[in-house]
Formats: sequence, structure tokens, C-alpha cells
Amino acid sequence: GAVVSQHPSWVICKSGTSVKIECRSLDFQATTMFWYRQFPKQSLMLMATSNEGSKATYEQGVEKDKFLINHASLTLSTLTVTSAHPEDSSFYICSAESYYEQYFGPGTRLTVT
Amino acid sequence: ILNVEQSPQSLHVQEGDSTNFTCSFPSSNFYALHWYRWETAKSPEALFVMTLNGDEKKKGRISATLNTKEGYSYLYIKGSQPEDSATYLCAQKTSYDKVIFGPGTSLSVIP
Repeated sequence: GAVVSQHPSWVICKSGTSVKIECRSLDFQATTMFWYRQFPKQSLMLMATSNEGSKATYEQGVEKDKFLINHASLTLSTLTVTSAHPEDSSFYICSAESYYEQYFGPGTRLTVT
Repeated sequence: ILNVEQSPQSLHVQEGDSTNFTCSFPSSNFYALHWYRWETAKSPEALFVMTLNGDEKKKGRISATLNTKEGYSYLYIKGSQPEDSATYLCAQKTSYDKVIFGPGTSLSVIP
């Protein structure tokens, strides 16, 4: 089956630093990947749609200068949280689309101190 | 309904019991309804995708139905087992390509 990996699985960083999260489709190519954020006890909130070779489409309320998305190849999308603050602490999860089905990575737990 | 809603929020059942939960979604601009199972420390796993009103899908002891006119889907688990313990998410894909997740139903099956 389709496998999506995410790296790192957890990260702790200091306020003001930037953190990059990678999302890879391991055994298929994905022209479209999605980035979600989950707040405690809440559902997955779509942050942006990442399209290979073009700019990401951000959802309303998501700062594109803060959450930089790069979909450099058909198997890799990255999310960079720039100048992280404690309120950016959250669970970030990506998914990659193949034949109209979404396959999820295991997620990244980000803690900003 | 403006958002995707799921009920109940959590559920505890005894091993062997059958159970079901509900996903409610806006019936306008409907394209597809997805169900996922999300076990702790793992990736959400796709269970079903349904597109047509009246669709019924089945995988082993788990089945799902879809009513797009009234905006709901049911997920049924027959003879629950401890390994069924997980959060079950539904997500609506709209005709303008937006995917909206429900908050999930957390199922615990007690041996």
C-alpha cells in the first residue's frame, strides 16, 4: 500500500528559530500533498495544499510567510515553521494524494519553548 | 449543518458488542465522504470513500452507509474487538476540492 513518511516525528525548538518538517511519499508519486494541523482535542485543520512545481494554496487564516511550503519533487513536500513561537506548538500531519485517496504520514509533534 | 460533525465524541463498548457512529455534513457541494481509522502513534488509515447517495461499503466487520440528501453517514462495527480501538474520522470532500474533517469518534473496546 501507499506509504507516507514524515520527519522528524517530534521536535522541540526555542522561540524564534525555524523548523522544517519533511513529508515523503515512499512508493508512489504525489502531485498533491496536504498539510494539516491538529490542536488538542480538535479535528485536523487543513493548512495548505501543496502542488508539485507550483506555489502552495493556503487556507484562510494561515500565514504563508510563517508556514513556508515547498513541493520540490513528486515525492517530497516540506513545511517550514519560521520564527516559531509557543503558540505554533501543535501536531502537524501531511497527506499525499494518489488516485483521489489521501495517505497520511504519522505526524510531527512540534513543541516551541 | 455548516461543518462536519461526528457523534458520539467517545464510546466505550465491551468486546463482542456491535456499535455505530454518525458523521453529519453539509449536503450542498458534496463530492465524496471518507472514513479513516486513526490508531494512537500511527498514521490515519483510509477505510472507505463513498460518493453516491445510498452507497454502502463493507470491509470485514466494518461497514458504512451514505445519505447525501440529508447529509449523514453511519459507520458500523460488528462484534467489536480490542484492536478496533481507535479514533474514527470522517472527512467530506466538496465539489470545489476542499476537504473538511470531523472531530472524530474515539472508540475503546474493553476486553
